[in-house]
Amino acid sequence: GAGVSQTPSNKVTEKGKYVELRCDPISGHTALYWYRQSLGQGPEFLIYFQGTGAADDSGLPNDRFFAVRPEGSVSTLKIQRTERGDSAVYLCASSLEASRTDTQYFGPGTRLTVL
Amino acid sequence: AQSVTQLGSHVSVSEGALVLLRCNYSSSVPPYLFWYVQYPNQGLQLLLKYTTGATLVKGINGFEAEFKKSETSFHLTKPSAHMSDAAEYFCAVSLNMGGGNKLTFGTGTQLKVEL
Repeated sequence: GAGVSQTPSNKVTEKGKYVELRCDPISGHTALYWYRQSLGQGPEFLIYFQGTGAADDSGLPNDRFFAVRPEGSVSTLKIQRTERGDSAVYLCASSLEASRTDTQYFGPGTRLTVL
Repeated sequence: AQSVTQLGSHVSVSEGALVLLRCNYSSSVPPYLFWYVQYPNQGLQLLLKYTTGATLVKGINGFEAEFKKSETSFHLTKPSAHMSDAAEYFCAVSLNMGGGNKLTFGTGTQLKVEL
């Protein structure tokens, strides 16, 4: 079956602009996670959804970052007033439930470059 | 708090040789531990995971890892390296307190396999 998909695969923007990154999870998966991977680092947790609600947004770096999942499926990560330090690969993952034993399936990521 | 340390950002082995990728963790609760592999331009793929029970865990592609609580380690091994094993490998620990399955990743180890 189809895995997690993310669009766009690459996004180049200018400092100060607004961007949206989209994640389509595996059908039927109730939990959805966003991570950010900077160059030379492992992925860092940003936010997690259980259904439509953001159950834990403790990893969002500041209020320029926001994410939604209005129908409990597709999620959008929104970044306002982008800064050069936001440049990274943004990864989305989904799992059947949100328990520790459930495997998270990752998408290929969106590479964001802020000029 | 929890963290993951991967010793050696780059490891090089000859084809057919033993692969050993090191991972040490710290966790305030009994850890759930994971190894993911990332091929170029692809999403993270789960190799194996330890939750409870048997401490020697077998995964895909001939990899295995052993959870050693006394050493706080979860090293990844494969008896005989293949060229197709060249990729970046991430160790991760899971914290699930109050719901969710946030993964904390190490900084990764790039495995190179030489003829």
